[in-house]
Amino acid sequence: GAVVSQHPSRVICKSGTSVKIECRSLDFQATTMFWYRQFPKKSLMLMATSNEGSKATYEQGVEKDKFLINHASLTLSTLTVTSAHPEDSSFYICSARERGNTGELFFGEGSRLTVL
Amino acid sequence: DQQVKQNSPSLSVQEGRISILNCDYTNSMFDYFLWYKKYPAEGPTFLISISSIKDKNEDGRFTVFLNKSAKHLSLHIVPSQPGDSAVYFCAAGKAGNQFYFGTGTSLTVIP
Repeated sequence: GAVVSQHPSRVICKSGTSVKIECRSLDFQATTMFWYRQFPKKSLMLMATSNEGSKATYEQGVEKDKFLINHASLTLSTLTVTSAHPEDSSFYICSARERGNTGELFFGEGSRLTVL
Repeated sequence: DQQVKQNSPSLSVQEGRISILNCDYTNSMFDYFLWYKKYPAEGPTFLISISSIKDKNEDGRFTVFLNKSAKHLSLHIVPSQPGDSAVYFCAAGKAGNQFYFGTGTSLTVIP
């Protein structure tokens, strides 16, 4: 089946630095990718919807200048956490949808970010 | 109101046998369902997913079954191994929206 790969799976960084997380669709073209953040014991919150070739649509309360999303190709979307703070420490997961609005959604394995 | 429920907080299974973890949801609009595995002191790891257009998805020893009419999904692990001992969370949601987690089931596989 289709595979969505996230890299890195775990990253530790110092406060104030920027971290980039990649989400790749390995065997299909994804026109739409979603980025989620999971808080301890809470739900998986949608952060933004990323469409290839256009600007991402951010959910209310998500700082677009802090969480930069780029979807430059049909197989790659990146999430960059800029000037990371300890409160940004979380589990980030992406999902990718095949071409067309009715395409099946596939989930990445997630990236664990720890900001010291 | 809990939209996703895992009614069994714990489960013990003998090594080699089948582990069955259950999950119920309330919103019939949910169209994607996920299972996560979490070891102590670590973040959750995505395990397997299923969309509402399917009733079964298999990945190696892990199979997820979806019963839309009953709003119920289950994760089967066959054969169970000691390394499978962890807390398993199910999550449900609609594509492009928030996903809701259950409270988890702690699985212990006894050697």
